[in-house]
Amino acid sequence: NAGVTQTPKFQVLKTGQSMTLQCAQDMNHNSMYWYRQDPGMGLRLIYYSASEGTTDKGEVPNGYNVSRLNKREFSLRLESAAPSQTSVYFCASSVLREKLFFGSGTQLSVL
Amino acid sequence: EDQVTQSPEALRLQEGESSSLNCSYTVSGLRGLFWYRQDPGKGPEFLFTLYSAGEEKEKERLKATLTKKESFLHITAPKPEDSATYLCAVHWSGGNEKLTFGTGTRLTIIP
Repeated sequence: NAGVTQTPKFQVLKTGQSMTLQCAQDMNHNSMYWYRQDPGMGLRLIYYSASEGTTDKGEVPNGYNVSRLNKREFSLRLESAAPSQTSVYFCASSVLREKLFFGSGTQLSVL
Repeated sequence: EDQVTQSPEALRLQEGESSSLNCSYTVSGLRGLFWYRQDPGKGPEFLFTLYSAGEEKEKERLKATLTKKESFLHITAPKPEDSATYLCAVHWSGGNEKLTFGTGTRLTIIP
């Protein structure tokens, strides 16, 4: 019973490098989300996908792109990483908007 | 302007010492207020949803209440395993698909 699976758990990048964070859910949820969590700022929505084939910007989308590959998978890409993108990233999914199921997070450091 | 404010930032209690955590919000058109628990190194875990003033929800030693301006998470006779960060979030009419999260209260229960 995996729920929401994120990979990798840890990543260190140099400024300007690119990477993709992977997320998959096995609960047949329509909606998926990417959040970042920074000390003192709470969780902030980067992008979300209300259903397969659709994506929309959240509160802090600059510097990120997403792909809803199918109903199960929702990836987040950093094309040119910046130190300001150092954060913990969480993927989440839901049937109803309010009850989100979160993955265990990716801790990303950009040097 | 913060829309969701949690207090205190941190709280240390002796085992068995009851207390309350506060979540105040300034959004208009509240559609729901949610409480999540987050353990270190993990993603948030859903606890409760409250929709209207006067509503209460309970789960084990936790009880969540809602007024028109704030919510309380009451913890009765806490145990060390209740130690975690507690997050509240609101879904409101101006927020579209996103939840607006507070920064959390870090609760430590001392044996």
